[in-house]
Amino acid sequence: DGGITQSPKYLFRKEGQNVTLSCEQNLNHDAMYWYRQDPGQGLRLIYYSQIVNDFQKGDIAEGYSVSREKKESFPLTVTSAQKNPTAFYLCASSRSGASYEQYFGPGTRLTVT
Amino acid sequence: AQKITQTQPGMFVQEKEAVTLDCTYDTSDPSYGLFWYKQPSSGEMIFLIYQGSYDQQNATEGRYSLNFQKARKSANLVISASQLGDSAMYFCAMRATKAAGNKLTFGGGTRVLVKP
Repeated sequence: DGGITQSPKYLFRKEGQNVTLSCEQNLNHDAMYWYRQDPGQGLRLIYYSQIVNDFQKGDIAEGYSVSREKKESFPLTVTSAQKNPTAFYLCASSRSGASYEQYFGPGTRLTVT
Repeated sequence: AQKITQTQPGMFVQEKEAVTLDCTYDTSDPSYGLFWYKQPSSGEMIFLIYQGSYDQQNATEGRYSLNFQKARKSANLVISASQLGDSAMYFCAMRATKAAGNKLTFGGGTRVLVKP
């Protein structure tokens, strides 16, 4: 079955530690995205990538980093510089083109204490 | 810049009745797409329906239809014959054709609770 996987589903970290969230897709999509969702809120774009080895900052990139070494993978690192990292993180992918919907993974709920 | 506004934070609907979720948008790009997603309590985002700005007819997908009024910049979602499984958060989103990276801009969402 084609789809997007994110692991782990729940993640707990101590303040000051970097943590990497995994996102893998087997849909052969060129574009991949990372969103952050806070309770009762909509999604905000962190980073996106339209092609391998290239990525751009979204609306709230500070304190986050990404890489895109393979088409299938787009890991997100939440660094210790992110002031309020506790949130629900969603990864998405899509075909290139404005009319194509984004497919989402199941999300990772990160709690930093 | 694009902006999506969903003014209804929450709604109750009786099972088997229809419900309309409001969405207004703002963009200076003449070419854009509008999307609706459903987010159950489990958290995943489920794509429901798409409307292109140049589409002549309103989009429909099963029990979902989109009431697209371009002049008013609104793209309301209509769910007919509500089911208990429709209880979820619903998000309206827009992608302007000229937006870098084909980015989606999301509204704040509307929570729907279907009553038996």
